[in-house]
Amino acid sequence: KQEVTQIPAALSVPEGENLVLNCSFTDSAIYNLQWFRQDPGKGLTSLLLIQSSQREQTSGRLNASLDKSSGRSTLYIAASQPGDSATYLCAVRPMETSGSRLTFGEGTQLTVNP
Amino acid sequence: GAGVSQTPSNKVTEKGKYVELRCDPISGHTALYWYRQSLGQGPEFLIYFQGTGAADDSGLPNDRFFAVRPEGSVSTLKIQRTERGDSAVYLCASSLMFGDTQYFGPGTRLTVL
Repeated sequence: KQEVTQIPAALSVPEGENLVLNCSFTDSAIYNLQWFRQDPGKGLTSLLLIQSSQREQTSGRLNASLDKSSGRSTLYIAASQPGDSATYLCAVRPMETSGSRLTFGEGTQLTVNP
Repeated sequence: GAGVSQTPSNKVTEKGKYVELRCDPISGHTALYWYRQSLGQGPEFLIYFQGTGAADDSGLPNDRFFAVRPEGSVSTLKIQRTERGDSAVYLCASSLMFGDTQYFGPGTRLTVL
C-alpha cells in the first residue's frame, strides 16, 4: 500500500525566504506526482504535476523535483510571500493502468510572516 | 470556463439520516473523482468515474456509501444511515481524461450530529 509522508508538518518563515517542502512515498511505481495548495476552508489548487519520466517542473517561483527511485519529491518556493501561506499537499498516482486514485500526504502548513 | 462546483457547501444532518452531495465537473471532463478529507489529514480517495461508469470504487468505506453519474457529467454521492464518523469535507475533482491533472471543487463540509 502506497504511503505518502510530508515533512515538516508545519513551517513558519519570514517573508522573502526561500524554502523547501519535502514529500516521500513508499512505492516508486508511480505514474505522476502532483503538488497542491489548499487554503483554509477551500478546495485544492493544482500547482505542479510531474510525470514519472520527468525530473522537475517549474512555474513562476515554484520548482518541484522528483526522484522516483528514492521515492522523494521537493517543492521549492523562492522569495516567499505572505500570500503563499497555505497548506501544501503532495499526491502520487499509481502506475497500474487502472490506477486513478491519488494518494495524498497529510500536508505541510506554511505560514509566511510579513 | 467555470471550475468544479459542489453543492451544498455545508450540510448538517442528524445521525441515521440520508444525505446527497452533488458535484458538477468542468464541462467536457470525462473523469470524475470523489475524495474525503478529515480534519488535519490529506484527502482520501473514495471513487472514480470514467464517463457514466464507476471505474474504481475501492475507496468507498462501506455499503452505506454510493455514487452515481448517470449522464456522464454531474455526480451525486449518497450516504445512507449517516454516522458521526462520516463528518468530513467531501471533495470532488475532475480531469479531462484519465491521468490528467485533477481539478478540485471547494468541497462539501458534512457534519453529522
